[in-house]
Amino acid sequence: GNSVTQMEGPVTLSEEAFLTINCTYTATGYPSLFWYVQYPGEGLQLLLKATKADDKGSNKGFEATYRKETTSFHLEKGSVQVSDSAVYFCALYSGGSYIPTFGRGTSLIVHP
Amino acid sequence: GAVVSQHPSRVICKSGTSVKIECRSLDFQATTMFWYRQFPKQSLMLMATSNEGSKATYEQGVEKDKFLINHASLTLSTLTVTSAHPEDSSFYICSAIGQGGPVSGNTIYFGEGSWLTVV
Repeated sequence: GNSVTQMEGPVTLSEEAFLTINCTYTATGYPSLFWYVQYPGEGLQLLLKATKADDKGSNKGFEATYRKETTSFHLEKGSVQVSDSAVYFCALYSGGSYIPTFGRGTSLIVHP
Repeated sequence: GAVVSQHPSRVICKSGTSVKIECRSLDFQATTMFWYRQFPKQSLMLMATSNEGSKATYEQGVEKDKFLINHASLTLSTLTVTSAHPEDSSFYICSAIGQGGPVSGNTIYFGEGSWLTVV
């Protein structure tokens, strides 16, 4: 079956530091990959996505590249802000399974 | 803007009563909707998958008679927590996959979530 593995948090950084949150997956076929962000007390918002190998999703300074050879979709940001503090979920969706698969989430805490 | 809307965002109900949470797709047809439960500082727990016009498929361990899910139209799914107890207090989130309007057919869109408190 499909699975998503995210690095465990919390990830604690100072403002303007470089961020990487690792995500690897296993899936049959060619899934679409997603990063969602959840701010405290809120639902999940789509942050970025990539639908095929070597695609790079980007939004709000965040980037992730769909690496089929390493089955990875690591989230990066060059300079984090306090407002980026949230929980980040990596997910995949494969038409074959019709049920999205989520990682456990990684909490990011950014200090001023 | 949001493409999936959940209502209410917060609800408090008395133990033993039932409460309904609505999930609507905005400007697109949601062929499949998912209901999740999320405990504090934990990941999403899939409760059930619902397709328009058919019975929901519940995940193992989820009581279908307690968590009634109805997907009567391509834009609306409802979750009814029946005979609620304090242990049902949680954050419930819906998501949808569909087509038309502002959405991509292979992307999952989430509602804002609903906080349920049973007292």
